[in-house]
Amino acid sequence: DQQVKQNSPSLSVQEGRISILNCDYTNSMFDYFLWYKKYPAEGPTFLISISSIKDKNEDGRFTVFLNKSAKHLSLHIVPSQPGDSAVYFCAASVNFGGYQKVTFGIGTKLQVIP
Amino acid sequence: GAVVSQHPSWVICKSGTSVKIECRSLDFQATTMFWYRQFPKQSLMLMATSNEGSKATYEQGVEKDKFLINHASLTLSTLTVTSAHPEDSSFYICSARIGFTEAFFGQGTRLTVV
Repeated sequence: DQQVKQNSPSLSVQEGRISILNCDYTNSMFDYFLWYKKYPAEGPTFLISISSIKDKNEDGRFTVFLNKSAKHLSLHIVPSQPGDSAVYFCAASVNFGGYQKVTFGIGTKLQVIP
Repeated sequence: GAVVSQHPSWVICKSGTSVKIECRSLDFQATTMFWYRQFPKQSLMLMATSNEGSKATYEQGVEKDKFLINHASLTLSTLTVTSAHPEDSSFYICSARIGFTEAFFGQGTRLTVV
């Protein structure tokens, strides 16, 4: 059962335009959501997060939106840059026995075209 | 930011041998580390939670006798794949957290069993 779903395996965007990466989840107990960025042959790096009590969090060019009623979150990158080309993982966490158990989506490969 | 170092980054071993993967937190103490596994075109799957000074907590379906985890100090956790077989070939990655949920990942280890 895939609790965190990223239905778009890939996305291509022109440099300077907006990139929108989407993520859906099924577990209403998730209380924290995160986005990670991964380059080939490297581990994921934390990008931005949002608590379930908020609906928007912004950090520079990156904004995450959360729609709890729809169990949907999205990551907006604007303007997109070629260096943003990477795989983006959506993740959601829930307190599980004293620690936050994180579940990852399958990832979306973003290609920003110069 | 915090750094997690994982070694080796890739390893090829013969079927039936054991392989040890190290995960170190370089500039912080990590009482808890996490080990993930990623198959091609799939998401990161949590294998186990490594707790310093105590036994690891394994996810359902993960063989604890096959994937030995030792968290001997606050900066080092090791994963040993015992009697490796070709089906164990995968990308293994560790992470450690500071604070609530922000996780820092190692570079990952590409294991190929021939």
